[in-house]
Amino acid sequence: EVQLLESGGGLVQPGGSLRLSCAASGFSFGYYAMAWLRQAPGKGLEWVSGIVSGDITHYRDSVKGRFIISRDNSKNTLYLQMNALRAEDTALYYCARAIAVAEKHYSDYWGQGTLVTVSS
Amino acid sequence: DIQMTQSPSTLSASVGDRVTITCRASQSISSWLAWYQQKPGKAPKLLIYTTSSLQSGVPSRFSGSGSGTEFTLTISSLQPDDFATYYCQQYYGSWTFGQGTKVEIK
Repeated sequence: EVQLLESGGGLVQPGGSLRLSCAASGFSFGYYAMAWLRQAPGKGLEWVSGIVSGDITHYRDSVKGRFIISRDNSKNTLYLQMNALRAEDTALYYCARAIAVAEKHYSDYWGQGTLVTVSS
Repeated sequence: DIQMTQSPSTLSASVGDRVTITCRASQSISSWLAWYQQKPGKAPKLLIYTTSSLQSGVPSRFSGSGSGTEFTLTISSLQPDDFATYYCQQYYGSWTFGQGTKVEIK
């Protein structure tokens, strides 16, 4: 059974940093692209960042230069280092497994999320 | 970024109703579209990928169609478990989602 368990969320002041983790199990982690997505309270879904198995990374414009996605295949873990946090980064952060189809990717499993609150 | 627009934003329906949700892309995305169901306090669940392929374990009352810029999700006979919010998502470019359609009990 595919399982994704996020951790590392919390309350942080504007300008602060957090590192999110996503522990994966039930599949061959190293063979899959992975992604981080978020959902602000009461709002819709938003893609944040993605990493493919070759460590190619992608970011939405609003987090470029502030967030870093990485993975440790030996630990079956995905990370999101978030720096220079802003109030608008407040959201429930999900990690998701991505399925490759002809150089495109869609997400088939999501974790339950970890809440990040940026406030003074 | 490719903009995704869903309609309606809210839909009131009864058990047994046929329900259709529309999703429109700001440019052609070929067939690179997925649909997700989200219930309160839960993670999104994949229903359909590549416009019309049913994810394993998803009931056959869910179906998807379309291509290019116009897509639909249809629930052939609404069940009590189907009251939720539905999102379309394109993966032709960087992932973007529709704003969601909440299916409520009439």
